[in-house]
Amino acid sequence: SQTIHQWPATLVQPVGSPLSLECTVEGTSNPNLYWYRQAAGRGLQLLFYSVGIGQISSEVPQNLSASRPQDRQFILSSKKLLLSDSGFYLCAWSPLTGAVSGNTIYFGEGSWLTVV
Amino acid sequence: GENVEQHPSTLSVQEGDSAVIKCTYSDSASNYFPWYKQELGKRPQLIIDIRSNVGEKKDQRIAVTLNKTAKHFSLHITETQPEDSAVYFCAASIRGPLETSGSRLTFGEGTQLTVNP
Repeated sequence: SQTIHQWPATLVQPVGSPLSLECTVEGTSNPNLYWYRQAAGRGLQLLFYSVGIGQISSEVPQNLSASRPQDRQFILSSKKLLLSDSGFYLCAWSPLTGAVSGNTIYFGEGSWLTVV
Repeated sequence: GENVEQHPSTLSVQEGDSAVIKCTYSDSASNYFPWYKQELGKRPQLIIDIRSNVGEKKDQRIAVTLNKTAKHFSLHITETQPEDSAVYFCAASIRGPLETSGSRLTFGEGTQLTVNP
């Protein structure tokens, strides 16, 4: 069965410091990968998605970036964090093929980021 | 792009009553509509989904209906229990034209459901 791992689970970082959140998926190949952000416990905002190694699409302009160095690895980064970057970050995956319509997205356990 | 609106933002019911949450979407090309339940501090988890070729789907106490003409879909929970208390999200998705296009979910803003014992 497929599993998704995301770390770290919690993070407290000062303003201006760098960020790296990592996510890996097991038990599947060629997944779609996603980073979502959730502020104040509501509203899931899609930040980045990837359909393959090195292929990253950004949904919103921000000081965050994403990379996919391996098929099942997805990394969210920032060079300098802002206070507004605080939130709950969720990595997710979905099957690339297998349905003619959209596919279910499965979320990792999330990373709580507090920028102070 | 796709826009999903969800109502109500908060819903309080008595245990045993039914709860209904409604969503509308803007892009007629959307063809997949999942519902997620998120308990406090945890990740969203899929509870039921429906594809555009189906009008209704049931799973025990949970059902989802889809009206493609009106571009709206609803979640129905019957015989609610305190453990149903959570935030519920609807979403809509479009599959890209290529196998490599992937699909992206656009989420509603969520409904905080409280079931009072």
